[in-house]
This record gives sequence, C-alpha cells and structure tokens, in this order.
Amino acid sequence: DAGVTQSPTHLIKTRGQQVTLRCSPKSGHDTVSWYQQALGQGPQFIFQYYEEEERQRGNFPDRFSGHQFPNYSSELNVNALLLGDSALYLCASSWDRDTEAFFGQGTRLTVV
Amino acid sequence: EDQVTQSPEALRLQEGESSSLNCSYTVSGLRGLFWYRQDPGKGPEFLFTLYSAGEEKEKERLKATLTKKESFLHITAPKPEDSATYLCAVQEGPTGGYQKVTFGTGTKLQVIP
Repeated sequence: DAGVTQSPTHLIKTRGQQVTLRCSPKSGHDTVSWYQQALGQGPQFIFQYYEEEERQRGNFPDRFSGHQFPNYSSELNVNALLLGDSALYLCASSWDRDTEAFFGQGTRLTVV
Repeated sequence: EDQVTQSPEALRLQEGESSSLNCSYTVSGLRGLFWYRQDPGKGPEFLFTLYSAGEEKEKERLKATLTKKESFLHITAPKPEDSATYLCAVQEGPTGGYQKVTFGTGTKLQVIP
C-alpha cells in the first residue's frame, strides 16, 4: 500500500501566479481533505471532498479551490498567489468523515 | 471560540526520562481526538484516536488518555528516535453534518542520548 501520495514535493511560484497540487488517497479511502501548515503552526483545514463534491470548507478565500476525480484522487488549486500562501500543503485521506485521517508527505510551496 | 491548546511548546528530555504532553480543548460535541507525530518537513503520522472520556490507547512507549477537557500523551523511557513534533487534533460536529477538525500547534519533543 503506497499510502497517501502528493505531487510535487516542492514548488516555487511567483506572486500572482496559479498553482495546482495533486493528491492520491490511501487505497480504500474515499474522502480527501486539504490542509495548509505554516512554519511552526498546526495544520489549518482548507476543505474536504467526498463523492467528487466539496463537503466542508474552512476559513479560506475563494482563491483556494479543488476537485475530486472518480478514482478519489484530488487537486488543490490556488489562484493569484500571495507571499502569505507559502506553506506546507498537506493532503489527508480517510474512509468517510468519521475515521482517522492519514496524511501525505506534503507539498512545500514557496511564493516569491 | 473553540480552541485546542498544547503544552509545553517544547520539551527536552534525557533518554529514559518519562514525561507527558498535554492537549486541552474547549469544543462542544467532541467526536474524536487524534494524536499525530510529525517529523521535520514531512506530513503528520497517525498515532491514536480517542472517542470518549476515560479511554486509553497504547503503542510501544506511547500512551494516550482522554478526559472531558484534555488529553495526555505519556512517553515512557523515550529514545532519541522519539524526537518529533506531536500534534493533537479535535473533531467536532453532528453525525452526518458539518464536522470541524482543529489542530493544536504541537509540542516539539527532543530526546537527548
């Protein structure tokens, strides 16, 4: 079992650009959640996808959007990047919402 | 406002020196409390889920306990490889409805040989 895989591992973007991050969930999991983790902080919930729909959303602006595909993999898109968007972006998968989530290794996004 | 507070922020132990990490929470409708371990630059690694007060779970040198207001992660005779940041997360919300997961800022543990 490959667990949760994310790509790319590192990314450098310029302010104002757009970025797409990808996540493949753990085998057997159907729910994908995305988190943003700033240095020295705990992960902050962005949104959760289930059955290809956004089911829950945290306190993030509309610049953050996502998608879930029929194979349960997911993408996180961020438009009009700001310097403050620099962080470790984590994907977590679970079996529905009531079970523990397993995290990928994250994508380190740096906005310059 | 719902909060999850972890203490201490950092902890330095000698190898073999047992201690406890604390996670206190002020949420309504607790559905679960999770403990994760996170190594630098990596994603959190799942350790435990606790659902109700009085529940305890163990894994190797780690033992997690839960009360109505806080959870403890006890580390018995730690080894250098236990060095990491330990994160606590709380899930709240009604069954079938919106469920919120809130993480604490973590306790950075360093175990000195």
